[in-house]
Parts: sequence; structure tokens; C-alpha cells
Amino acid sequence: GAVVSQHPSRVICKSGTSVKIECRSLDFQATTMFWYRQFPKKSLMLMATSNEGSKATYEQGVEKDKFLINHASLTLSTLTVTSAHPEDSSFYICSARTLSTNYGYTFGSGTRLTVV
Amino acid sequence: AQTVTQSQPEMSVQEAETVTLSCTYDTSESDYYLFWYKQPPSRQMILVIRQEAYKQQNATENRFSVNFQKAAKSFSLKISDSQLGDAAMYFCASYPYLQGAQKLVFGQGTRLTINP
Repeated sequence: GAVVSQHPSRVICKSGTSVKIECRSLDFQATTMFWYRQFPKKSLMLMATSNEGSKATYEQGVEKDKFLINHASLTLSTLTVTSAHPEDSSFYICSARTLSTNYGYTFGSGTRLTVV
Repeated sequence: AQTVTQSQPEMSVQEAETVTLSCTYDTSESDYYLFWYKQPPSRQMILVIRQEAYKQQNATENRFSVNFQKAAKSFSLKISDSQLGDAAMYFCASYPYLQGAQKLVFGQGTRLTINP
């Protein structure tokens, strides 16, 4: 149990276009999901906390107009990278916390975004 | 705010030997959770072990065990009988039990290599 599905796993887009990444909790309801960004050989950096039915909470330094987060249902959160640029290329990971994992966080498999 | 520090960027161990990964943290919270996550080359984050700060007994999961020293704010991971499949990035992480959005804070990571 406690599976988080994230897709796409890889995406290549052109500069200036927008890309949407989906994060779904498959067998539990997630009122809160988290979006991380990971640079090569680096740790996970929290970008924002996604709250079902309300606005996301962004970490300091993260552009909310660049990284749009929508959490319209208890099982789906989306991250849209708007007007993507090469510097947005990175690995993005979502996660959710659930009682079924004894308060541990379950992570999606990540999305590798390449902006060309 | 919580901070997590892993001072060993890389570690290596011979197969079947024991290795210990270090982690220290700083928090003003009275109760919190501590975790070790493994990130293999697939980049899927996998929960290795968790520890509730209010529990004095060190957590164990098969070949994985922790040495939790609350007063020293230390949370090291011991891997016994190392196997080739243990090779990965290991991240120490924490979050407060009750406060706010319960954001998971990661350390910088330790890359573990298993030598056959």
C-alpha cells in the first residue's frame, strides 16, 4: 500500500513552453503533498507544500508564478513549470505522508525534465 | 527550524562488512521523527528505517539499525553484512511530529559504494 505514482518519468520540452507533472496517491488520500527538486548528486530541496483545496505554500526563493501547483483532489497534485528555460532542467520528485506508512513519507519515482 | 547534517559525502565498504553513516540534526521541537532514506541509481526514494524521538530504543530493520543519541542530536545508520544492492545515496531526514506542515528536511546525502 501507500503508492505514489508520478508521471511522466522523463520529459523534454522547448524553451518557453510549459510542462505539467502529475503526482497521484493510488491507494490513499493525501491532503498534503510535497514537491522537491534535486540537482545531480545533490540532496532534495523542498519547493512547495501542496494543500488540497487551497493555495500551495512555497519555500523561500521559489517562484510561485514559475512553478504552479494545483491540488484539486485528495489524490492528485500537479506541478506546472511555466515558460520553461534550460536552468529549470532538473529532477522533480513528489511525496505524500500517510498513516499507513507509520508517518513515513512515500515518494513518487520522479520526473527528469530537460529543457532545450 | 530543523537542520540535518551529513558530514560524509562518500563512504565505501567491502561486501559483507559493516559500515556506519553519520547524521546530526538540530531542532527546537520536543518531538520529531527521524528517517534514513536510500536512493539507488533509479532515483526512487526508499524508506530504510525510522525513529520516533520519544522512543529510547534504537530502531532496527533486519541488517539496518540506528544509534540514536537524543542529547547529542545524533542519528547514525549501521548497515551490517553489506550487500552490493546496498550501494546508493543515503539521506538522513527529520520532521517535527506536530508542528505546521510537517516538512521533511534532508541532509546532504552520503554516497555508499560496496566493494566486491
